[in-house]
Amino acid sequence: DAEITQSPRHKITETGRQVTLACHQTWNHNNMFWYRQDLGHGLRLIHYSYGVQDTNKGEVSDGYSVSRSNTEDLPLTLESAASSQTSVYFCASSGNGQQFFGPGTRLTVL
Amino acid sequence: AQSVTQLDSQVPVFEEAPVELRCNYSSSVSVYLFWYVQYPNQGLQLLLKYLSGSTLVKGINGFEAEFNKSQTSFHLRKPSVHISDTAEYFCAVSGTDSWGKLQFGAGTQVVVTP
Repeated sequence: DAEITQSPRHKITETGRQVTLACHQTWNHNNMFWYRQDLGHGLRLIHYSYGVQDTNKGEVSDGYSVSRSNTEDLPLTLESAASSQTSVYFCASSGNGQQFFGPGTRLTVL
Repeated sequence: AQSVTQLDSQVPVFEEAPVELRCNYSSSVSVYLFWYVQYPNQGLQLLLKYLSGSTLVKGINGFEAEFNKSQTSFHLRKPSVHISDTAEYFCAVSGTDSWGKLQFGAGTQVVVTP
């Protein structure tokens, strides 16, 4: 069965370190998205991609970057982790009238 | 651009009672509308979506929502809740020109008690 996975599921890191969160989908969807979830804010869009080599900034993109070298993967990189980036991160993919979310990655920056 | 307002941050309700979760949106373009549920320490699950057609949308677990274009609302209802409906509920909107790019509300915590 097709799916969308995220790794790691939990991560603890230190301020200033570079961190990469992986997102992999086998739906063959062109559209992929990264959101962060914080109490009182719901989910907010960080970056998104409508296809290979296409990336776009979302509402809260500062301090984050993405790259899209193939259809299946959209890794999210925190260039220099900050405590304000402690959050739960969700990846999503969409296409053909469908949309699916990954299980989430809980990131703690100390 | 779109925005979503969920009018209640928390809704306490007794088991077998009805519940309504309110959602209002604003957008400069036509929209698609969604309700998601998140159980504790889990991901998001789609309850229902409005893309076009009938304004009354039925979803999973006995939930339904009505799209009201003139009032820019998409309220979620269930006639009789169970303890297992205790969860956080998110309303979301996307423009019809940006499928999948969602703007979420802040969420409504539903607590069902016996």
